[in-house]
Amino acid sequence: GQQLNQSPQSMFIQEGEDVSMNCTSSSIFNTWLWYKQDPGEGPVLLIALYKAGELTSNGRLTAQFGITRKDSFLNISASIPSDVGIYFCAGRTNFGNEKLTFGTGTRLTIIP
Amino acid sequence: DAGVIQSPRHEVTEMGQEVTLRCKPISGHDYLFWYRQTMMRGLELLIYFNNNVPIDDSGMPEDRFSAKMPNASFSTLKIQPSEPRDSAVYFCASSLTGRRNQPQHFGDGTRLSIL
Repeated sequence: GQQLNQSPQSMFIQEGEDVSMNCTSSSIFNTWLWYKQDPGEGPVLLIALYKAGELTSNGRLTAQFGITRKDSFLNISASIPSDVGIYFCAGRTNFGNEKLTFGTGTRLTIIP
Repeated sequence: DAGVIQSPRHEVTEMGQEVTLRCKPISGHDYLFWYRQTMMRGLELLIYFNNNVPIDDSGMPEDRFSAKMPNASFSTLKIQPSEPRDSAVYFCASSLTGRRNQPQHFGDGTRLSIL
């Protein structure tokens, strides 16, 4: 089956630092999504990417859909305390197929 | 607008008991998904519905799990009999078919503990 490898598994950074995480797949995806999950809550969509090579920003967040369609990255600039949480990538293989495959998550911790 | 609503938020029960988890999707959404999240296996899709019809239940772990969607605004996930290894957070999500695939919106989950 399809698998999404997300790295790093965890990150410990200081406030103000930039963050970078990525996701790679053994299969081609036509859609990449990045979600954030806070404790006790469900994942919330951050950014959606629909086209190979697409670079999309949402405030301090920037994500890119890899040219090979097998990878994506998420960058967070100038991290703040509320960025703490678990970040998940998710991919969809076919338009019209709503099934998502999720990555294993990157846990972001900000050291005071 | 109200998001995806799940109930209960927490459930603690003894093994062997029947457990029913409930979900109300976002009004107008035509897809509904049930996921299970554990530390070991991450977020796994169990089953999803389109227009109340089950489309893919290949993620349902075994016959003890069943899901129904009697109408567009309600779905249940039932475990009978429950076992300790079923302990996890169960999420419901919904989405809307569109020209460009719409993202899934998640509820806040039901944290299930089977003793």
